[in-house]
Amino acid sequence: NAGVTQTPKFQVLKTGQSMTLQCAQDMNHEYMSWYRQDPGMGLRLIHYSVGAGITDQGEVPNGYNVSRSTTEDFPLRLLSAAPSQTSVYFCASSGWTSGGFDEQFFGPGTRLTVL
Amino acid sequence: AQKVTQAQTEISVVEKEDVTLDCVYETRDTTYYLFWYKQPPSGELVFLIRRNSFDEQNEISGRYSWNFQKSTSSFNFTITASQVVDSAVYFCALSEAEYGNKLVFGAGTILRVKS
Repeated sequence: NAGVTQTPKFQVLKTGQSMTLQCAQDMNHEYMSWYRQDPGMGLRLIHYSVGAGITDQGEVPNGYNVSRSTTEDFPLRLLSAAPSQTSVYFCASSGWTSGGFDEQFFGPGTRLTVL
Repeated sequence: AQKVTQAQTEISVVEKEDVTLDCVYETRDTTYYLFWYKQPPSGELVFLIRRNSFDEQNEISGRYSWNFQKSTSSFNFTITASQVVDSAVYFCALSEAEYGNKLVFGAGTILRVKS
């Protein structure tokens, strides 16, 4: 199993450009999430999904869109990049066990810089 | 609203010392999950433990131990006989029972273990 994969690993954008951060998992997990990590602030939830076709906003959704057309993929779209979106982005997935929600498995992250 | 507080921004210890990382949480839910993750300098997020709110048993895994106390809303993490390889950022996180993929993270504690 590859686990959770994210592409690209690094990206530099100019203000106003758009792009899509890719996230895929091969563990057949229903639950997926996107977080951003900024210095001194821990990770904050951007959007999450509880299954294909079902998404919802997290704590900091402005400027981002998501879709979930398949169980495996959960791309994050930046509509018009701003310097405030400079951050490290993590995608995560999790499943369900008899004990409840399982741990979230995190991808390696995408380091995005917006100039 | 849920909140996680890690009051210790940075801790420095000498190898073989014991160290405790504090985590205090706030939630109105009666059922929830608590997590600890480690982020080494390489940047990936490593799962350490998940705890259900109805399971207050303390847990020990090698040099790691966790003390969960609902009465004080705390979920503290102790490393016994610390090693240089323990140097990392440690995050405590909380999720509601219904959506275990909506993690609320603390700001993290930077642990530096010196030889």
